[in-house]
Amino acid sequence: GQSLEQPSEVTAVEGAIVQINCTYQTSGFYGLSWYQQHDGGAPTFLSYNALDGLEETGRFSSFLSRSDSYGYLLLQELQMKDSASYFCAALNQAGTALIFGKGTTLSVSS
Amino acid sequence: ETGVTQTPRHLVMGMTNKKSLKCEQHLGHNAMYWYKQSAKKPLELMFVYNFKEQTENNSVPSRFSPECPNSSHLFLHLHTLQPEDSALYLCASSQESAIRGAGELFFGEGSRLTVL
Repeated sequence: GQSLEQPSEVTAVEGAIVQINCTYQTSGFYGLSWYQQHDGGAPTFLSYNALDGLEETGRFSSFLSRSDSYGYLLLQELQMKDSASYFCAALNQAGTALIFGKGTTLSVSS
Repeated sequence: ETGVTQTPRHLVMGMTNKKSLKCEQHLGHNAMYWYKQSAKKPLELMFVYNFKEQTENNSVPSRFSPECPNSSHLFLHLHTLQPEDSALYLCASSQESAIRGAGELFFGEGSRLTVL
């Protein structure tokens, strides 16, 4: 079957760096996406890695290693507003839609 | 207009009721999706529509009935639901079916459903 595994919770303080890992087991892998969801809000797209390596977008970076079936989201200079749930996602076997991990709840404290 | 709009935002219904959830996207996308989000579970894919045609039904019980009259609108008709169907139902859209793009979905804020 297909699955994406990520930690359920991560805590950190303002200004710190945090890494959220995702390991996946999928057929026909096309790439790994990351989404952010604030409590009560819509999931929003953060990044996408189709190839191995690091993609940087401001304070957020995402990494992919296809050989290890592994990726991570790196959040730097954490701010209180970064407190949210973060989901990794990949295409389903049919290539028609994304399937998601259970999400990692990030709590940032001052 | 926001990108993807869902109504109602909150819905409480009895097990014998019939109700519908509505989703509208103003992004000119051709693919639309229904996901279910329950506590402590991944977002579960329910249905996929591409150019108004259903391309995926992820083994969803028949008490959930989708309808896609055009590329901008998606409905989820609900009847004889169970309490375990209580969840946040999220609608999403993408330019085309996910395989062609960078996997970017645009989500609405969801309809919070409570079944009594």
